[in-house]
Amino acid sequence: NAGVTQTPKFQVLKTGQSMTLQCAQDMNHEYMSWYRQDPGMGLRLIHYSVGAGITDQGEVPNGYNVSRSTTEDFPLRLLSAAPSQTSVYFCASSVAGINTDTQYFGPGTRLTVL
Amino acid sequence: AQSVAQPEDQVNVAEGNPLTVKCTYSVSGNPYLFWYVQYPNRGLQFLLKYITGDNLVKGSYGFEAEFNKSQTSFHLKKPSALVSDSALYFCAVRDMDGAGSYQLTFGKGTKLSVIP
Repeated sequence: NAGVTQTPKFQVLKTGQSMTLQCAQDMNHEYMSWYRQDPGMGLRLIHYSVGAGITDQGEVPNGYNVSRSTTEDFPLRLLSAAPSQTSVYFCASSVAGINTDTQYFGPGTRLTVL
Repeated sequence: AQSVAQPEDQVNVAEGNPLTVKCTYSVSGNPYLFWYVQYPNRGLQFLLKYITGDNLVKGSYGFEAEFNKSQTSFHLKKPSALVSDSALYFCAVRDMDGAGSYQLTFGKGTKLSVIP
């Protein structure tokens, strides 16, 4: 049981480049989410999904796209990277529903945009 | 809207002394409250949660937290700090009754340093 996995661990992009951050979980969790962590800002929710085919925006969605074609995978796409997107990105998953509770976090992707 | 405040950016405590990391919250409905810990270069790990029931919640690694509805607080405590407790601690809240009830809102984090 690998839990929540994220790839890559590190990435450097140039302004305007695109990339996809991968996230997968093997716990059959319905709920998945993406956060970014910036110094002094805590974690801010980018996008989330309550099940395959269902996604919604969080607090800071601009510049990011997501899709959820399977229960296991929840990729985050940067269409045109900007220096403001330099951050550490965390994916998380949990059981959905009225008892949604503990979120399980991946190890993170450290992204630098030059 | 829901929000969390962690008023201290950093807390320093001597090893063996009790520690407290403060958290206050704001929600329109009833709160689910959580504490997570982050060690350097790692993802967040769940420590404990308050859903309902007893106001004193016990969690992993000897940590506990007390829910105080009148003060809208959920402070994290440990009777005797260890050097290995040094990490970044996040408080989080979810509104049980709100429209965005799937969303967790995190505080900015408090860096705990336990001095040998």
